[in-house]
Amino acid sequence: EDQVTQSPEALRLQEGESSSLNCSYTVSGLRGLFWYRQDPGKGPEFLFTLYSAGEEKEKERLKATLTKKESFLHITAPKPEDSATYLCAVQDTGFQKLVFGTGTRLLVSP
Amino acid sequence: ETGVTQSPTHLIKTRGQQVTLRCSSQSGHNTVSWYQQALGQGPQFIFQYYREEENGRGNFPPRFSGLQFPNYSSELNVNALELDDSALYLCASRPGLAEETQYFGPGTRLLVL
Repeated sequence: EDQVTQSPEALRLQEGESSSLNCSYTVSGLRGLFWYRQDPGKGPEFLFTLYSAGEEKEKERLKATLTKKESFLHITAPKPEDSATYLCAVQDTGFQKLVFGTGTRLLVSP
Repeated sequence: ETGVTQSPTHLIKTRGQQVTLRCSSQSGHNTVSWYQQALGQGPQFIFQYYREEENGRGNFPPRFSGLQFPNYSSELNVNALELDDSALYLCASRPGLAEETQYFGPGTRLLVL
């Protein structure tokens, strides 16, 4: 069965203090790995889709990377507005549902 | 371009009642999925609709049912509500089965008392 584990559960950073969030996964065949940002009480906002090991994608202060067993979301010089829960999900080649981790709650203090 | 919309935003029901949640998919998107997100957890897949047919289902009992209409909007119905059904219900759409990325709506917060 597909599984996604995210770490840490919560992360507190000072503004400008770069860090990485981890997403470890097991899947029979990877169709895609997804990162979403979720603000409290709102729906997940799409960030990135990664398809194969070695792939990297960037958007503003965020960079997502993928290996055969895990993905990292690197946050460079974060700002308070980057505070949110970051969700990782996988989709396998056999079935179309997304399997999510429980997320990393990020708090960036000024 | 209008994104995914959901209604209502919040509602409160009592145990044993029935509820219907609604979702309008993003323009041009014919595939809609529903997820349940309990507090502090990641979303859990309920089922997916493609061109008005159920196309896959997660580990949810039959009292969770759905519909998709010709305009690709969708409904989630839950019968015989239980306290554990309290959650954020999310709808996600995508242009078709060949497209992997799903775009989520704002969700409906359901509280069962």
